[in-house]
Amino acid sequence: DGGITQSPKYLFRKEGQNVTLSCEQNLNHDAMYWYRQDPGQGLRLIYYSQIVNDFQKGDIAEGYSVSREKKESFPLTVTSAQKNPTAFYLCASSTTGVGSGNEQFFGPGTRLTVL
Amino acid sequence: EDQVTQSPEALRLQEGESSSLNCSYTVSGLRGLFWYRQDPGKGPEFLFTLYSAGEEKEKERLKATLTKKESFLHITAPKPEDSATYLCAVQASGTYKYIFGTGTRLKVLA
Repeated sequence: DGGITQSPKYLFRKEGQNVTLSCEQNLNHDAMYWYRQDPGQGLRLIYYSQIVNDFQKGDIAEGYSVSREKKESFPLTVTSAQKNPTAFYLCASSTTGVGSGNEQFFGPGTRLTVL
Repeated sequence: EDQVTQSPEALRLQEGESSSLNCSYTVSGLRGLFWYRQDPGKGPEFLFTLYSAGEEKEKERLKATLTKKESFLHITAPKPEDSATYLCAVQASGTYKYIFGTGTRLKVLA
């Protein structure tokens, strides 16, 4: 089955720790995205990547880092510089065809809690 | 500034009571407007893509329509299993970024 997987489903972080969230897709999509979702707010873009070895900051990139070494994988690291990391994190992917819009497909999410 | 506004924030319906959700958008050139369904604690599930004014898409009890300023998600004779948060997003021309609304929380009572 084609789709997007995220792991772990739940993650707990202590103060001062860096943690890495995994995102893998087998849809052969070029573009991948990371969003943060907080109660009562829309999805906010953290980072996105349109092609391997290239990525751009989104609206709330401070305190986060990413890499895109393989087409299928786009891990997100939440660093100790992110002061309020407790949230639901969503990974998505899409095609990058020009012209018409490209629907995104989402993974199941990772809920990160700071202890 | 590109913007998406969804209304109402929350909606309670009796089973079988049809209604509509609204997504108003301001964007400099529309590449696509997307509707998603999200259940609690899960990732959004793709429902529809609309590309141009006048376009309509249907799936079971759901029908999405698009004008130059807004989109509606019509729910006909809803069932309790339609309870979820419905998200709207737009993609502007010349960008790979998406702008999401805050969603409408729908509760259908049996």
